[in-house]
Amino acid sequence: DVKVTQSSRYLVKRTGEKVFLECVQDMDHENMFWYRQDPGLGLRLIYFSYDVKMKEKGDIPEGYSVSREKKERFSLILESASTNQTSMYLCASSFPPRGYTFGSGTRLTVV
Amino acid sequence: SQQGEEDPQALSIQEGENATMNCSYKTSINNLQWYRQNSGRGLVHLILIRSNEREKHSGRLRVTLDTSKKSSSLLITASRAADTASYFCATNSGGGADGLTFGKGTHLIIQP
Repeated sequence: DVKVTQSSRYLVKRTGEKVFLECVQDMDHENMFWYRQDPGLGLRLIYFSYDVKMKEKGDIPEGYSVSREKKERFSLILESASTNQTSMYLCASSFPPRGYTFGSGTRLTVV
Repeated sequence: SQQGEEDPQALSIQEGENATMNCSYKTSINNLQWYRQNSGRGLVHLILIRSNEREKHSGRLRVTLDTSKKSSSLLITASRAADTASYFCATNSGGGADGLTFGKGTHLIIQP
């Protein structure tokens, strides 16, 4: 069964810390995505990547960066975590035109 | 930016009844997809319908697409308690890396 694995289910970090959220897929998909999900706002696209070392900004990239050094791994980086980045973070990969495969999500709390 | 908007925001029905959720969108699309999310988990892809298709079935799911009205519906027949979840529509407008834009979801509760 194909999988997208996010390294942590729950994470608590302090304001100002640099935070790494890791995502690995085993499907050889070229496209990978990071979304955040907040009550009342739905899913919002932060960054996506369509190839190794390629990245594109989504709708809300401010305060985030990404890294894709290998095809199977897409990392989301919070350069200096802030409380307004407390959220559920969802990673996904896709092989068009099929649907996305999502990871289980990382619930990040910044205190 | 939000593309799909689901309606209703919440729906509560009795087990065995049919559940219908609607989605409206604003711009032209290549395809529209429906996802389910159980509480606190990731999203699961249910069904994809292309812009040149009008109806698609998958088990107890039926999806329709009306591109002239920019709307879609998801019908779940003979609902079960396990169908309790949030359901999202997502549109693909053919942008780079087939980026999807999600609606805010319909929360479906199946009463036993």
